[in-house]
Amino acid sequence: GENVEQHPSTLSVQEGDSAVIKCTYSDSASNYFPWYKQELGKGPQLIIDIRSNVGEKKDQRIAVTLNKTAKHFSLHITETQPEDSAVYFCAAGGGADGLTFGKGTHLIIQP
Amino acid sequence: DADVTQTPRNRITKTGKRIMLECSQTKGHDRMYWYRQDPGLGLRLIYYSFDVKDINKGEISDGYSVSRQAQAKFSLSLESAIPNQTALYFCATSGQAGDEQYFGPGTRLTVT
Repeated sequence: GENVEQHPSTLSVQEGDSAVIKCTYSDSASNYFPWYKQELGKGPQLIIDIRSNVGEKKDQRIAVTLNKTAKHFSLHITETQPEDSAVYFCAAGGGADGLTFGKGTHLIIQP
Repeated sequence: DADVTQTPRNRITKTGKRIMLECSQTKGHDRMYWYRQDPGLGLRLIYYSFDVKDINKGEISDGYSVSRQAQAKFSLSLESAIPNQTALYFCATSGQAGDEQYFGPGTRLTVT
């Protein structure tokens, strides 16, 4: 089955700086790579996703890049703001077995 | 109203008790999922269902069972709860295999 590794487990950045979270996956058949944000007391919510036929996707301050050859993908958040503080999960899949999630990154935005 | 709802939101129960967590969705999705979240371990899949007649085990199904009563309802049962089942439980839905999963607000379960 699929195995997803996510790093770092905790990331602290100054407000206004950029944050990068990285994930690797093992199954070359995976073709869908979403990123979820989980705020305290809430369920995960999709913030951006990318499919294997695309190398990069951007939505305002958030971008995701995918390297299929190396089997890794990354989340980039620019100009971080206090409301970006949350736990972020990457996931890989798209086949019949659904998604496999990484263990999460706790992003802390320092004022 | 929320698209995916879970009841109860919080539950404390004793070892050996049977407990059921319920999930309902108004998104009209065929696929439903139950996940467990533990600190530092991310989201792990317990069971998933592609339609009312299709139930599949996930990564950590031991000690759990599910029932898909209708397209909109998917319940998770712990037949005899044990303390290491203390966790946050999430239900999710999706339209197709490669589509976004929509999560409920979660149920915090404590087994004493």
